[in-house]
Amino acid sequence: EVQLVESGGGLVQPGGSLRLSCAASGFTFSSYSMNWVRQAPGKGLEWVSYISISSNTIYYADSVKGRFIISRDNAKDSLYLQMNSLRDEDTAVYYCAKDSTSTSLDRWGQGTLVTVSS
Amino acid sequence: DIQMTQSPSSLSASVGDRVTITCQASQDISNHLNWYQQKSGKAPKLLIYDASNLEAGVPSRFSGSGSETHFSFTISSLQPEDIATYYCQQYNNLPPTFGPGTKLDIK
Repeated sequence: EVQLVESGGGLVQPGGSLRLSCAASGFTFSSYSMNWVRQAPGKGLEWVSYISISSNTIYYADSVKGRFIISRDNAKDSLYLQMNSLRDEDTAVYYCAKDSTSTSLDRWGQGTLVTVSS
Repeated sequence: DIQMTQSPSSLSASVGDRVTITCQASQDISNHLNWYQQKSGKAPKLLIYDASNLEAGVPSRFSGSGSETHFSFTISSLQPEDIATYYCQQYNNLPPTFGPGTKLDIK
């Protein structure tokens, strides 16, 4: 069974940093591109970042470009999101999501809550 | 970025009703349109990919259609467990963008 388990969320002050992790199991992690998607409280879904299989293609939403860094470790079946210079508006549940073989996100983790507040 | 719109934003229907949600893209996205279901407090779940393909394990009462810029999602006979918010998403171009969602509840 495919499982994606996020961790690393919590309360952080504006300007602070946090590193999210996503542990993958039940599939060949190194064969799939991965994404981070977030959802602010009571709001819709916002795609955050994409990383290809070998990390040679990376994209970011404009809202996080220059502040967030996506990475992966295929040997550890893990995805990461380093979040720096955090702002109030980064408060959200962050989901890791697996690319399918077609153009969709076919498996999602349960999410981890990041709260940016003083 | 490609903008996605959905209508209606909310919908109340009775058990057994046929329910349809529409989604429009700001430019041609071919058939690269997906539909997700998100129940309260849970992660989104892929239901339909590439406009009309049913994800494995998803009940056949769910269906999708459309191409280019106009798409629709239908539940043929609404069940109580279908209460959720439904999102369309284009993945023709990066960034992948989501519609604002349609909140569905039981009348």
